[in-house]
Amino acid sequence: GDSVTQMEGPVTLSEEAFLTINCTYTATGYPSLFWYVQYPGEGLQLLLKATKADDKGSNKGFEATYRKETTSFHLEKGSVQVSDSAVYFCALRAGRDDKIIFGKGTRLHILP
Amino acid sequence: DGGITQSPKYLFRKEGQNVTLSCEQNLNHDAMYWYRQDPGQGLRLIYYSQIVNDFQKGDIAEGYSVSREKKESFPLTVTSAQKNPTAFYLCASSIDRAGAEQYFGPGTRLTVT
Repeated sequence: GDSVTQMEGPVTLSEEAFLTINCTYTATGYPSLFWYVQYPGEGLQLLLKATKADDKGSNKGFEATYRKETTSFHLEKGSVQVSDSAVYFCALRAGRDDKIIFGKGTRLHILP
Repeated sequence: DGGITQSPKYLFRKEGQNVTLSCEQNLNHDAMYWYRQDPGQGLRLIYYSQIVNDFQKGDIAEGYSVSREKKESFPLTVTSAQKNPTAFYLCASSIDRAGAEQYFGPGTRLTVT
């Protein structure tokens, strides 16, 4: 079945460092790919998405490119801030009747 | 503003009592979902509904029940049969289209003692 694997955390970085959170997927069809962010005690917020190969999703300085050849959707940000501290979930959804498949989440700590 | 509301934010119950968590959306979405999240864990799907008056079990439906009498509302009942009900519960909705994203509510933290 479909699955998502993302790097385990926690990931700890200093402010202004470069961020990469790896995400790879397995899917039989052509899924849409998502990154969600969850701040402490809150629900998940959609951060960015990509619906087909080579699409780049971007939002708030975060980017991720849909790489079909490597089945990856890595999240990147050039200069992180303390306010980026949160848990990040990679996810995919294929067909209309398919559920969203979430990765286990990666906790990110940014030190001032 | 369109969105998903969940109430209450915090809920406390005694063991052996049923409790119902509210989820309302005004996004005109057809599909709605309930997830459970335990500390430091990912999301696990409890139930989902793609249309009014119809719903399907997710991965961990035992001890839970739902109804979908209105498009906007998808309440979740945690019954006394649920062995470990203390958790953070998240409701979500989406349009009924292949590859569509889900939108989440703020969550309800349920503590059962």
